[in-house]
Amino acid sequence: DADVTQTPRNRITKTGKRIMLECSQTKGHDRMYWYRQDPGLGLRLIYYSFDVKDINKGEISDGYSVSRQAQAKFSLSLESAIPNQTALYFCATSDQGLAGTDTQYFGPGTRLTVL
Amino acid sequence: QKEVEQNSGPLSVPEGAIASLNCTYSDRVSQSFFWYRQYSGKSPELIMSIYSNGDKEDGRFTAQLNKASQYVSLLIRDSQPSDSATYLCAVPNFGNEKLTFGTGTRLTIIP
Repeated sequence: DADVTQTPRNRITKTGKRIMLECSQTKGHDRMYWYRQDPGLGLRLIYYSFDVKDINKGEISDGYSVSRQAQAKFSLSLESAIPNQTALYFCATSDQGLAGTDTQYFGPGTRLTVL
Repeated sequence: QKEVEQNSGPLSVPEGAIASLNCTYSDRVSQSFFWYRQYSGKSPELIMSIYSNGDKEDGRFTAQLNKASQYVSLLIRDSQPSDSATYLCAVPNFGNEKLTFGTGTRLTIIP
């Protein structure tokens, strides 16, 4: 089984709908991240969490919220989806290793289309 | 200036040749640097990390770091069609809390 899983893998929704993307990991890592990827813009950080009680905004958090339900689960919500949130979304995890040695492990991605 | 910059490509290299991918970064205090490979429609995966000035070799891959010039590169020797992918350079922030990714360079190996 994959270490980092994301559900759903694909989603088409309409403007104004509430959407939740879920991420689960079996790696036992404390740190989890949500990114979005757009053509020509690379990976951009939305939110990140170092443990259940620690949530931090990334560079593009507006329009998104997150919930860290457990060490292994980190969900991303779009309260009212808009078309420019159409993108590929990745969840990632990393272990709290020595400074500069963290490796991020990515889930398979969720392709979200907002009509 | 963007924090992490890469040529977007596409970069086309004949099979068996050396592919050279470049990345510059703006934060002078950055201590570690990562190269991720992303196949089309797939998630990024780490292929190299480097922390010290100079070269680091791993199989056909060599990472080169020059902190004075704020420059990190990835060389792929004996390029194979399976190396065709987008290569992302990533640099952590000062507290090593998060990574900033470049926009990636798309590499195509021509058989």
